[in-house]
Amino acid sequence: AQTVTQSQPEMSVQEAETVTLSCTYDTSESDYYLFWYKQPPSRQMILVIRQEAYKQQNATENRFSVNFQKAAKSFSLKISDSQLGDAAMYFCAYSYSGNTPLVFGKGTRLSVIA
Amino acid sequence: DVKVTQSSRYLVKRTGEKVFLECVQDMDHENMFWYRQDPGLGLRLIYFSYDVKMKEKGDIPEGYSVSREKKERFSLILESASTNQTSMYLCASSLLRAEETQYFGPGTRLLVL
Repeated sequence: AQTVTQSQPEMSVQEAETVTLSCTYDTSESDYYLFWYKQPPSRQMILVIRQEAYKQQNATENRFSVNFQKAAKSFSLKISDSQLGDAAMYFCAYSYSGNTPLVFGKGTRLSVIA
Repeated sequence: DVKVTQSSRYLVKRTGEKVFLECVQDMDHENMFWYRQDPGLGLRLIYFSYDVKMKEKGDIPEGYSVSREKKERFSLILESASTNQTSMYLCASSLLRAEETQYFGPGTRLLVL
């Protein structure tokens, strides 16, 4: 069975600094998708970034980028120039099929210090 | 914009009551999901549905049932609420492809007394 592990329950970062959140996963599939979701205190979960496993190039979305290491089954999220609004729970998730649900990690709570 | 709405943000119920949590999406998504979120446990899947009248058990279906009579609506039912079902409940929907984003509702915080 596929599993997603986030080994850092909590992290903190100074405003304007860079932070990296870790995620590892286990799968026997060769084609799949990986996601980072953000859940701020408002509780509304939103997609931050998505990576297709068949693409070697790491995905980027403004200040958010990933380091996708397929052989190591690692998918870390880098947040550059951290802002107070980045404070949230971050969930890593995995998908390989349209009619099966995402597999989520347990989340990392990120605090941003002014 | 995709919109997923849940019938209540906060709900207080008594032990033994039958509880209905409603979720509606407006983007014609095939997939709909119910999760439970507890501190330290992340999101745990209760049930999901990839078509009308179809339902599949997730990781923690015990004590819950679901109904999907129309494509846009997915209901979670607590047949006899218990205190250990006090939690945050999140509904989500997506198109039927692996790469598709799941869109989440705002969540319902349920307290069972």
